[in-house]
Amino acid sequence: NAGVTQTPKFRVLKTGQSMTLLCAQDMNHEYMYWYRQDPGMGLRLIHYSVGEGTTAKGEVPDGYNVSRLKKQNFLLGLESAAPSQTSVYFCASMPATDFSNQPQHFGDGTRLSIL
Amino acid sequence: AQKITQTQPGMFVQEKEAVTLDCTYDTSDQSYGLFWYKQPSSGEMIFLIYQGSYDEQNATEGRYSLNFQKARKSANLVISASQLGDSAMYFCAMRGDRGSTLGRLYFGRGTQLTVWP
Repeated sequence: NAGVTQTPKFRVLKTGQSMTLLCAQDMNHEYMYWYRQDPGMGLRLIHYSVGEGTTAKGEVPDGYNVSRLKKQNFLLGLESAAPSQTSVYFCASMPATDFSNQPQHFGDGTRLSIL
Repeated sequence: AQKITQTQPGMFVQEKEAVTLDCTYDTSDQSYGLFWYKQPSSGEMIFLIYQGSYDEQNATEGRYSLNFQKARKSANLVISASQLGDSAMYFCAMRGDRGSTLGRLYFGRGTQLTVWP
């Protein structure tokens, strides 16, 4: 019962470096989401995808790119990391059917520090 | 647009007592859903309870219940018989109808609950 798996769990980057966060789900969910969590701010949506090959911007998309080449994977990229991107990143997924009462299933998060 | 407000940054409750965590929301959608998640110190997000806007009865899941007052746009979480393990951050979130939000959740800023013995 893996559910939603995020890798890596922790990472420290220097300003200007790039990296990719991987989210994998084994529940055959159509919808996937990337959020960031900052102290006192709750979770804010970065990008999301409603199916393979589709992505869309959320509330705070600047500085991030995403790709969903396979249904089970949703990648979040930082092309040139900035200290303002220090945060905890959560991936979530949910099925498209029985839409109304479906909770999102979350990964355990990636703690990212940009020095 | 959807908006969630949690006005209690922190709450304290004694073990075995009940506690209410406040959540108010704003939306122009006719159909929407309200969710509560728990985030313990280990960091994961745990789904607790759901309330649909057309549900006539308040949702309950074990010791969790949702006090839904549609006219007041409030969806307060009630935890009965608090346990030490309930100490965590609690987030209220909402989803609008499918067309307007495509499943995305809008989160409040959270309430840190501390249960003391």
